[in-house]
Amino acid sequence: AQSVTQLDSQVPVFEEAPVELRCNYSSSVSVYLFWYVQYPNQGLQLLLKYLSGSTLVKGINGFEAEFNKSQTSFHLRKPSVHISDTAEYFCAVTRNTGNQFYFGTGTSLTVIP
Amino acid sequence: DADVTQTPRNRITKTGKRIMLECSQTKGHDRMYWYRQDPGLGLRLIYYSFDVKDINKGEISDGYSVSRQAQAKFSLSLESAIPNQTALYFCATSESTREPQETQYFGPGTRLLVL
Repeated sequence: AQSVTQLDSQVPVFEEAPVELRCNYSSSVSVYLFWYVQYPNQGLQLLLKYLSGSTLVKGINGFEAEFNKSQTSFHLRKPSVHISDTAEYFCAVTRNTGNQFYFGTGTSLTVIP
Repeated sequence: DADVTQTPRNRITKTGKRIMLECSQTKGHDRMYWYRQDPGLGLRLIYYSFDVKDINKGEISDGYSVSRQAQAKFSLSLESAIPNQTALYFCATSESTREPQETQYFGPGTRLLVL
């Protein structure tokens, strides 16, 4: 079975500072990895996804994530955050032969002016 | 117009009442999902449907039922609501492909309070 761990439930960061949101997964089979963002009072939107190929994945709004198979991690990064990045971020995983997505518990990013 | 819509957006009900949450999509996707979101627990899958005749239980299906009335409509029912079903409910869709690497598209959510 898969599980997804987001170690940080809340991350405060000052505007224009870099940020890293951590995600680790456990799976004995190959997986696909996703980051979703949820802005206040909205549904989830896809930020980026890793399916295969280059381990560095670039997404929308300047975010990127790096797949590290040996560390079973898929951390999300942005070099300079904006106020508008304040949101809840979810890491998710699905198996390459499976039908279900498994979501982490979420990380609340708050950008401080 | 939104591609995935949910009605109602907010609902307050009493213990024991039957509640139906509705989801409609205009994306033409085959696959539809119902999740609930609880603080500190993230999203958990309740039911999913890969087409009108294919409905599957997810991680936490007890106390819920679903109906796939058409490709575009997927309803979630709470036959007898209880307070621990108070949560934010999301519907999602995805396009069927050979591999399960499709993106999920989420509705805006329904906030349910069971008193």
